[in-house]
Amino acid sequence: GENVEQHPSTLSVQEGDSAVIKCTYSDSASNYFPWYKQELGKGPQLIIDIRSNVGEKKDQRIAVTLNKTAKHFSLHITETQPEDSAVYFCAARKGGSEKLVFGKGTKLTVNP
Amino acid sequence: EAQVTQNPRYLITVTGKKLTVTCSQNMNHEYMSWYRQDPGLGLRQIYYSMNVEVTDKGDVPEGYKVSRKEKRNFPLILESPSPNQTSLYFCASSFKGAGYEQYFGPGTRLTVT
Repeated sequence: GENVEQHPSTLSVQEGDSAVIKCTYSDSASNYFPWYKQELGKGPQLIIDIRSNVGEKKDQRIAVTLNKTAKHFSLHITETQPEDSAVYFCAARKGGSEKLVFGKGTKLTVNP
Repeated sequence: EAQVTQNPRYLITVTGKKLTVTCSQNMNHEYMSWYRQDPGLGLRQIYYSMNVEVTDKGDVPEGYKVSRKEKRNFPLILESPSPNQTSLYFCASSFKGAGYEQYFGPGTRLTVT
């Protein structure tokens, strides 16, 4: 089955710096890669996603890149703000499957 | 307001006492899913449903049951809870499957003693 590895598990940055979280997946048939943000005491919320026919996607300060050959994808947050502090999860969905496999999460702390 | 609701939000129970966690969505979504979240393990999928009367196992289905008799509801049933099922549970729904944005409920924190 699909396996998703996520690094780092914790990340601390200064406000205004950039943050990068990386994930690798095992199944080359995976074709959908979402990123979720979970704030304390809440359910995860989608912040950006990318499909396998696209190499990069951007939404304001957030971008995701996908390298299908290497089977890894990354979340980039620029100009970080304290409200970006949360746990971030990557996930992968195998084509033809309705399972979604999540990474173990990254706790991002943005220090003012 | 479009949302996924779960009840109860908090539950403490004893080993072996059957329980049900309800999940309901008001977005007419076809796909619904249950996850458990444990420290250091992230989110793991328990069961999912593509539509009424269509359910399938996720990665950690042992000890759980589900049913989908109505499109809006997807209850999670623990027939004989054990302490290793102590966890934070999330229900989620999406328009048409795992390849679309999933909307998560607020979570149910379950403790089995």
